[in-house]
Amino acid sequence: GESVGLHLPTLSVQEGDNSIINCAYSNSASDYFIWYKQESGKGPQFIIDIRSNMDKRQGQRVTVLLNKTVKHLSLQIAATQPGDSAVYFCAERYGGATNKLIFGTGTLLAVQP
Amino acid sequence: DGGITQSPKYLFRKEGQNVTLSCEQNLNHDAMYWYRQDPGQGLRLIYYSQIVNDFQKGDIAEGYSVSREKKESFPLTVTSAQKNPTAFYLCASRGSANTGELFFGEGSRLTVL
Repeated sequence: GESVGLHLPTLSVQEGDNSIINCAYSNSASDYFIWYKQESGKGPQFIIDIRSNMDKRQGQRVTVLLNKTVKHLSLQIAATQPGDSAVYFCAERYGGATNKLIFGTGTLLAVQP
Repeated sequence: DGGITQSPKYLFRKEGQNVTLSCEQNLNHDAMYWYRQDPGQGLRLIYYSQIVNDFQKGDIAEGYSVSREKKESFPLTVTSAQKNPTAFYLCASRGSANTGELFFGEGSRLTVL
């Protein structure tokens, strides 16, 4: 996978392979992180979240890893399917109760059949 | 079904005209947000409201206005003062301060002719 930061790279994978999407976040005081999936022309959909007191969380076919030392977040998708093709955004929360989120620019995941 | 409804989905506007984008939610959420999305970029916060009759500017509020007269409604007006209004606009809501997850609408695409 590619580190995304402020860029919009494309990650191309074969159907059935595992995908790893990376994100570098900016604020060491951020306490909460979310991954969203956005299909073309639609609003973002929640995938998985993780709090800063954790370093790993698993969902259905997805795992999020958090490395606070280097301010790095990753999303792993197991057995990638064509329906997983979309732009994936990471977001970090700062500002506590106001829930202001900083969004990354996203990574386009293209699944090849 | 519970969710967030944005309208219109597509809107064309002549330069110098104000337009209002509608956002309605039946999730009984207190907080609502407006984001702008440009191609190849992440979401940027325009305005947010944590409670009825109260709202705050986000990172790019210039040229926009909002109101929050009812809990379920948070309309956004794109004024003629907004110099580059062509974009995809996303409305979101959040249920409680303890959860970070934002629920997004399907978006409104505004094009200025």
